[in-house]
Amino acid sequence: NAGVTQTPKFQVLKTGQSMTLQCAQDMNHEYMSWYRQDPGMGLRLIHYSVGAGITDQGEVPNGYNVSRSTTEDFPLRLLSAAPSQTSVYFCASSYLGKGGGGYTFGSGTRLTVV
Amino acid sequence: GIQVEQSPPDLILQEGANSTLRCNFSDSVNNLQWFHQNPWGQLINLFYIPSGTKQNGRLSATTVATERYSLLYISSSQTTDSGVYFCAVPGYNAGNMLTFGGGTRLMVKP
Repeated sequence: NAGVTQTPKFQVLKTGQSMTLQCAQDMNHEYMSWYRQDPGMGLRLIHYSVGAGITDQGEVPNGYNVSRSTTEDFPLRLLSAAPSQTSVYFCASSYLGKGGGGYTFGSGTRLTVV
Repeated sequence: GIQVEQSPPDLILQEGANSTLRCNFSDSVNNLQWFHQNPWGQLINLFYIPSGTKQNGRLSATTVATERYSLLYISSSQTTDSGVYFCAVPGYNAGNMLTFGGGTRLMVKP
């Protein structure tokens, strides 16, 4: 049982490049979400999904796109990377809506934009 | 959106000491969760505690929803308890996804 798998673990991008952060879960959770964590701060919600085909914006969505074609996968796309997007990105899934219990986080992707 | 404040921001303990971490939130919530982020960055769910008290080994948590706060107790601290502790509550979004506090950074010295 892998839980939530994020790839890659590390990435360096040049300003203006695009890339996709991958997130997959094998727990059949309906809810998935992406957060970013900047140094010394808590996590901020970027985008989330309450089921396949349904996505919505969180607190800091600008510069990112998501899609949810299957229950298992929830990729995060950076459209045109900027230094302000240097951060650690976490994907999470949960089995109850309404912020309920069972949140499982991936191990994170450390992204540097130069 | 909902505000979540944690205190203290930093805490240094000697191994074996006890501590209390506090989480205040600005609006009524139907649940609250505590997480531990270890020094390698991994986030682990400690408690799902909308109200009342729960215990798991040396850790326990109490949420008083009517007064909008939660406490995390760590007893007989160990060096492996080091890291950052976050509380989180549902935010103002359609999915009620979690909004995180700024965290309490704990260092336990041997």
